[in-house]
Amino acid sequence: AQSVTQLGSHVSVSEGALVLLRCNYSSSVPPYLFWYVQYPNQGLQLLLKYTSAATLVKGINGFEAEFKKSETSFHLTKPSAHMSDAAEYFCAVSGGSGTASKLTFGTGTRLQVTL
Amino acid sequence: KAGVTQTPRYLIKTRGQQVTLSCSPISGHRSVSWYQQTPGQGLQFLFEYFSETQRNKGNFPGRFSGRQFSNSRSEMNVSTLELGDSALYLCASSFRTNTGELFFGEGSRLTVL
Repeated sequence: AQSVTQLGSHVSVSEGALVLLRCNYSSSVPPYLFWYVQYPNQGLQLLLKYTSAATLVKGINGFEAEFKKSETSFHLTKPSAHMSDAAEYFCAVSGGSGTASKLTFGTGTRLQVTL
Repeated sequence: KAGVTQTPRYLIKTRGQQVTLSCSPISGHRSVSWYQQTPGQGLQFLFEYFSETQRNKGNFPGRFSGRQFSNSRSEMNVSTLELGDSALYLCASSFRTNTGELFFGEGSRLTVL
């Protein structure tokens, strides 16, 4: 079984500051890991994914995440926050091929960006 | 290319009724998944269809069912509605079933009174 834990349900940063959203995973098989973003009253949008290729994954809108097997982590970062980054972010894990569409999501982290 | 379309966007039902939600995937996508999103339980996987066959199923009671048509459009049905079924139901499509790269619709928000 797979699971993810997102540390911090709310994160507040100033515009231009570093964004760090934490995610730790648990998986009995090599995991596929994802970060999705949800803006108010919208569905989810894929930011980036890790599928056992490069451990540093670059996504859209300047976000990136690093897969660290030793720490079972997949934290999301962005060097400089923009007001438009305010949204809810979800980390997700799947069991890989065959069940890759059966995502297990974390509880989400709401990112607030202040002036 | 049009995105994933879900209808209706909002609906209100009463306990005991049933509801059918519809999802049209991105053209060419053959996999459709459904998720339930609630404040208390978060995002939970309901089921996945590929080429009209259910491939995976989450831990939901039998009142929740779905199907996929030959054109890849999908419907989900909830019978004998309960207050706890109030949620945002999200449909997602993908080209294949083994990538996890899902494209989500905006959801159908169901309120059960």
